Parts: sequence; C-alpha cells; structure tokens
Amino acid sequence: AQSVTQPDIHITVSEGASLELRCNYSYGATPYLFWYVQSPGQGLQLLLKYFSGDTLVQGIKGFEAEFKRSQSSFNLRKPSVHWSDAAEYFCAVGAQGGSEKLVFGKGTKLTVNP
Amino acid sequence: GAVVSQHPSRVICKSGTSVKIECRSLDFQATTMFWYRQFPKQSLMLMATSNEGSKATYEQGVEKDKFLINHASLTLSTLTVTSAHPEDSSFYICSAVGSGGGFGKLFFGSGTQLSVL
Repeated sequence: AQSVTQPDIHITVSEGASLELRCNYSYGATPYLFWYVQSPGQGLQLLLKYFSGDTLVQGIKGFEAEFKRSQSSFNLRKPSVHWSDAAEYFCAVGAQGGSEKLVFGKGTKLTVNP
Repeated sequence: GAVVSQHPSRVICKSGTSVKIECRSLDFQATTMFWYRQFPKQSLMLMATSNEGSKATYEQGVEKDKFLINHASLTLSTLTVTSAHPEDSSFYICSAVGSGGGFGKLFFGSGTQLSVL
C-alpha cells in the first residue's frame, strides 16, 4: 500500500527566503505524485503534479518539485517565499492503473515571517 | 479549470441530527467522486468512493450506516452524516473525476466544516 511521509510538521521561514518542503513516499511502482496547498478553512488547491517524464516539475505560484526515484522523494521548492504562501501543504500519492484516490501525508504548516 | 462545488461550506448542528453535504461538479460529468475527512491538524483520510448509479465503496473502519453516500447523478454526490455526534465534527472534502478518468481529471471541492454541538 502507498504511504506518504512529510517529516516536517511546521516550518517557519522569512519572507524572501527560499523554501523546501520534504516528501517521501512508499510505493512499489512509479507513483503519481501531487502537492496541494490548503489555506485555513479552505479546500485544496493543486500546486503541481508528476506523472512521468521530466523529473523537475513546475507548478503554479512559482513552486517546483523534483521527483527522485532513488530517494523516493518529491520535495517542493520555492526560491523566494511570499507572505501569502503561509498555509498548509500536503503531499499525496496515487496509484497507477487504479482508481483516482489519493493517499496524503500529514501536511506541513508553513509560517512566513515578515 | 473544472469546478467542484460543495455545499454548505460550514454547518453547525445539534447532536443527534443528520446533516447532508452536497458535492457537485459544475462544468463536467463525474462518474466517480471521493469523500475525504480531515481531523483538526491532521491529514485527509479517504472515507469512501462514490460511483454514479451504484453503491459506494467504503474504506476500512468507516461506518457505512453512519455516513450515507448517494451518487444519484453524474454531477451530484451527497454525504449524509446520520445522528451526528461531536466526534463527527470534522472537515469533509470531496473530489470528482471527469469523464474518461485519470488523475489529470481529478478536482477537489472547497470542503465543508461540520461542527456538532
């Protein structure tokens, strides 16, 4: 069965600093990988996804993520964080060839200091 | 992009009452919808898979008599929390898959915050 680990529960960065949120997955084959962002009391917004091909994926709002098969990782990065990026970030994995249900990590809460 | 609407966005009810949450795909037909539950400061856990015209498939540990799911049309799935209790208070969110399937056609709703007093 798939599983997702987000090792960092809470990260605080200063505005303008770079950001990396970690995500490790467990899955027997090449997974579908996703990053979602959730603002308080809101639904999920898809930042980016990896299905196949280029392992560096560009997303919305200046985010990118890199799929590293050897490390079973899909870390999310942003070179310069804005105050509006403060939110909860979820990494998720989906199985190929099956239904479109996702397994989510526990999330990382991002706080941005001015 | 495709829009999935959930209604209500927030509901407060008394213990023992039933609450219905709607998940609508506004501009596409969704043969499959998923219902997730999110406890405070926790991740999203899949509750059930809802297929149009058939019975929902529930994940292990989810009480199907407690959480009734109906997917009566290609654009609407409903989740009814029956005889709600305070422990049912949670954020419920649905996702819908467009025709043809695949993760590229997966879209999430905006969620419903349920508070049971």
